[in-house]
Amino acid sequence: TQLLEQSPQFLSIQEGENLTVYCNSSSVFSSLQWYRQEPGEGPVLLVTVVTGGEVKKLKRLTFQFGDARKDSSLHITAAQPGDTGLYLCAGVHNFNKFYFGSGTKLNVKP
Amino acid sequence: DAGVTQSPTHLIKTRGQQVTLRCSPKSGHDTVSWYQQALGQGPQFIFQYYEEEERQRGNFPDRFSGHQFPNYSSELNVNALLLGDSALYLCASSPGEQGPWRGAFFGQGTRLTVV
Repeated sequence: TQLLEQSPQFLSIQEGENLTVYCNSSSVFSSLQWYRQEPGEGPVLLVTVVTGGEVKKLKRLTFQFGDARKDSSLHITAAQPGDTGLYLCAGVHNFNKFYFGSGTKLNVKP
Repeated sequence: DAGVTQSPTHLIKTRGQQVTLRCSPKSGHDTVSWYQQALGQGPQFIFQYYEEEERQRGNFPDRFSGHQFPNYSSELNVNALLLGDSALYLCASSPGEQGPWRGAFFGQGTRLTVV
C-alpha cells in the first residue's frame, strides 16, 4: 500500500489545456515536495511546501499544500509539450524519511 | 558544481551475483539516500546515510547494504541478485541532518538489469 496516492496515474491532454494532479495521504508530513522526472533520468525538484495551506507558484505551475499537511495539488495552466514527464510527489516524515507517490505520467500533445 | 553523480549508468548482472553501485553527492551535501525505482513506479526508499551511519531503512531485505565514506560518497551493495532487483537505482543527496526536509538532489541513476 502506497502511503501517498497520486491521481490520475496517466493524463494525456492537448497543448494549451489546464490540468491538476493530486497527492493524497492519511498521514501528516513535515513537508511535501514535487518532482518531475524524464525517462532514464533522476527526479528534479520543482518545489517544497512546508506550511499547511501554503501556495507556491513556479511560472505556469501552482502548488498547494493542504491545511492539515496531508495532501497537495499541482495545477498547470496552458500546458506545453515541454511539460511532458512523470510528476512525483514526496512526503517527508520526521524531517528525514521520504515517501514517494506512484507518479502521474503527463503527455502534452502539440 | 557536478551535482550528484552515479556510476555506472548501466549494468547487466546474472541472477545470484553481487553488485556495487556508487554515488558522489552534490558538493556541500553530507546526507545520501538510495532509492529503487521499478518501471512505471515511484521511487522506493532503501536507506539513508549521514555521518557514515545508516540512519533510516525502508522495507528492503538484508541483501541490500550500503556504506558512506568520510568524503560523503556512498555505495549500495546488493547480494544474491534476483530478477526482481532489476530497476533504476537512484542516489539523492541533501545538506545536513534534516536536509531532505527541504528537498533532495538526485543523480541520473544506475539502470540494473538482472538476467
